[in-house]
Amino acid sequence: DARVTQTPRHKVTEMGQEVTMRCQPILGHNTVFWYRQTMMQGLELLAYFRNRAPLDDSGMPKDRFSAEMPDATLATLKIQPSEPRDSAVYFCASGMVLGEQFFGPGTRLTVL
Amino acid sequence: AQTVTQSQPEMSVQEAETVTLSCTYDTSENNYYLFWYKQPPSRQMILVIRQEAYKQQNATENRFSVNFQKAAKSFSLKISDSQLGDTAMYFCAFMKLGANAGKSTFGDGTTLTVKP
Repeated sequence: DARVTQTPRHKVTEMGQEVTMRCQPILGHNTVFWYRQTMMQGLELLAYFRNRAPLDDSGMPKDRFSAEMPDATLATLKIQPSEPRDSAVYFCASGMVLGEQFFGPGTRLTVL
Repeated sequence: AQTVTQSQPEMSVQEAETVTLSCTYDTSENNYYLFWYKQPPSRQMILVIRQEAYKQQNATENRFSVNFQKAAKSFSLKISDSQLGDTAMYFCAFMKLGANAGKSTFGDGTTLTVKP
C-alpha cells in the first residue's frame, strides 16, 4: 500500500530555531508539492517540483523558507528562522503530471 | 489564473440522506481535470472523485457522484445515503493541463457534518 510519508508528525519549537520537514513521495511519482494549511488561510501551495526540479515556489516566503529535492525519494522544507506565524499543518503530496495528488499525513508545527 | 469557489463554508445532513456540495471555477482553459478531496478530522486528505473535462459523462464512485456542467463551470458533489464517516471537510480542486500540468488550485473547503 504505497503512501506518502512525512516526518516529523509533530514539531514544537521556539521562535528563531530552524525547522526541517521531510517527505518521502510515492515511488514513481514525478510531481511533489508542499502545502501549508491554517484556519485563516486555508490550503496554500508553497512549492511544486516536477522530476525534482522546482517549477513554482511563488507561494513561499523566500527569506526564510526553502524547499529542495536532493533525490527522488526525499523532499525537504526548511524554515530558518521560524516565527510564530509559521505555526500550521504542512502537507506534502505527490502524484503524476496528469492525475490526482496523494497527500501525506502532515506535520503539525507549533512555533512558540 | 484559475479560481475555485466553494460557497458553502458549512453544511449538515442527517444520516442516510443526500447532500450536495457546490463548487464553481473560473478558467479560460478547455482541457482540465476536476477533483473532490475529503479531509476527515484525522487530517489525512484523500481523493473522493475525479472528472476529466473532455468527458461528458458525470463521474460516480459508489455513493459519490458529480454534476459537471462545463459551460456553467460548475462541479457539484452529491453524497447519497450519508454516513457518519462522511463527516469531513471537502475540497474542490481544479487542475489545468499543458505547461503547468499537475498543479492544482483548491477551493476553501466545505465542512460537512453528518448527524445521527
